[in-house]
Amino acid sequence: DTAVSQTPKYLVTQMGNDKSIKCEQNLGHDTMYWYKQDSKKFLKIMFSYNNKELIINETVPNRFSPKSPDKAHLNLHINSLELGDSAVYFCASTGGGRGFDEQFFGPGTRLTVL
Amino acid sequence: DAKTTQPTSMDCAEGRAANLPCNHSTISGNEYVYWYRQIHSQGPQYIIHGLKNNETNEMASLIITEDRKSSTLILPHATLRDTAVYYCIVRRALGATNKLIFGTGTLLAVQP
Repeated sequence: DTAVSQTPKYLVTQMGNDKSIKCEQNLGHDTMYWYKQDSKKFLKIMFSYNNKELIINETVPNRFSPKSPDKAHLNLHINSLELGDSAVYFCASTGGGRGFDEQFFGPGTRLTVL
Repeated sequence: DAKTTQPTSMDCAEGRAANLPCNHSTISGNEYVYWYRQIHSQGPQYIIHGLKNNETNEMASLIITEDRKSSTLILPHATLRDTAVYYCIVRRALGATNKLIFGTGTLLAVQP
């Protein structure tokens, strides 16, 4: 069974469009994250939600809006896509019985903005 | 969070032990050392973490110096599938607000 899943795996779109990436975890974790990995392979945290509440919001343009309908889901909506948004986006989760020792990452969504 | 310094890349022969060093000279008393790895095109994977004692699990061993200013991740019998970027991260263990701050990591290339 997949622990952290993301859809879609690949997303190719035009500048100016609005798109969403979905993330689901079946680990019973309380905390979920979005990370961005750019073309230079730097991996940076964007957001974190704990029990559906936003707790980490890094310096991210407000075109990015995370939404957590429940503890198991954290979606990322991006408005007015720009070329610089092209990257791989990773979802992760942590918490539950193991505390915050280990983050489990999804397979990533490769976003290409043309 | 304290910063870490790792070599950019390392090679290791298949079947041999891979020893990946990490310097974290500004680590605080309540900060743990975490290791993650990222195999090409996959999400990062947790390997191990420790505070001051050496730790071992099914994947690797973590050796932390007595002054905690550096550590070494040991993969006892490296395989080709261990080729990946290895990240050494220091952070406080508990709390949902504790972020993982990834550096540039060490690209370990396991050679046949």
